[in-house]
Amino acid sequence: EAGVAQSPRYKIIEKRQSVAFWCNPISGHATLYWYQQILGQGPKLLIQFQNNGVVDDSQLPKDRFSAERLKGVDSTLKIQPAKLEDSAVYLCASSLDQYSGNTIYFGEGSWLTVV
Amino acid sequence: QKEVEQNSGPLSVPEGAIASLNCTYSDRVSQSFFWYRQYSGKSPELIMSIYSNGDKEDGRFTAQLNKASQYVSLLIRDSQPSDSATYLCAVNRREYGNKLVFGAGTILRVKS
Repeated sequence: EAGVAQSPRYKIIEKRQSVAFWCNPISGHATLYWYQQILGQGPKLLIQFQNNGVVDDSQLPKDRFSAERLKGVDSTLKIQPAKLEDSAVYLCASSLDQYSGNTIYFGEGSWLTVV
Repeated sequence: QKEVEQNSGPLSVPEGAIASLNCTYSDRVSQSFFWYRQYSGKSPELIMSIYSNGDKEDGRFTAQLNKASQYVSLLIRDSQPSDSATYLCAVNRREYGNKLVFGAGTILRVKS
């Protein structure tokens, strides 16, 4: 079974530039998550999708971050304009659905450095 | 108060010893609890889940849950150098959907 795929794996940008990360969840998984993990901290949920609808985006800095999952499969997370404090690993994860408490599987992450 | 708290470590144990990792959580309605292992530069990997008070064993790993004390722990028996990683505790409040809240993690170092 293929895991959660993410790209690009690494990105270095200057502050105020934009960046986009792509995620393809495990086949058949309805729930998709984007987490932000700053060095030395645990992952923090940015946004959760159930199919193509947003379940929770309460911790997404909406002035600069946006995310979409138009067809209920792939998702894109965009940051524009980036700030130095956005330097982190962006982890995409998926689970079978949002209600059953099924295991959440993580992708390898997209490492962002803002200089 | 953080929702999920862990001692950041590092916790150093000799090879073959028992490593004990602890986690406390603030919200009494938390229903399920997870331990993820994260190697440096890698993504979190689920190693244990526990839903009921008591112990749950899986190979060298034992998770312990005490909901009255809002405490969950992970014991690693016969620790190996390959167990050296950051261990993340996560809790799930199911009425909010399948959403994990993570602690900052405990760094474990197993010395050979």
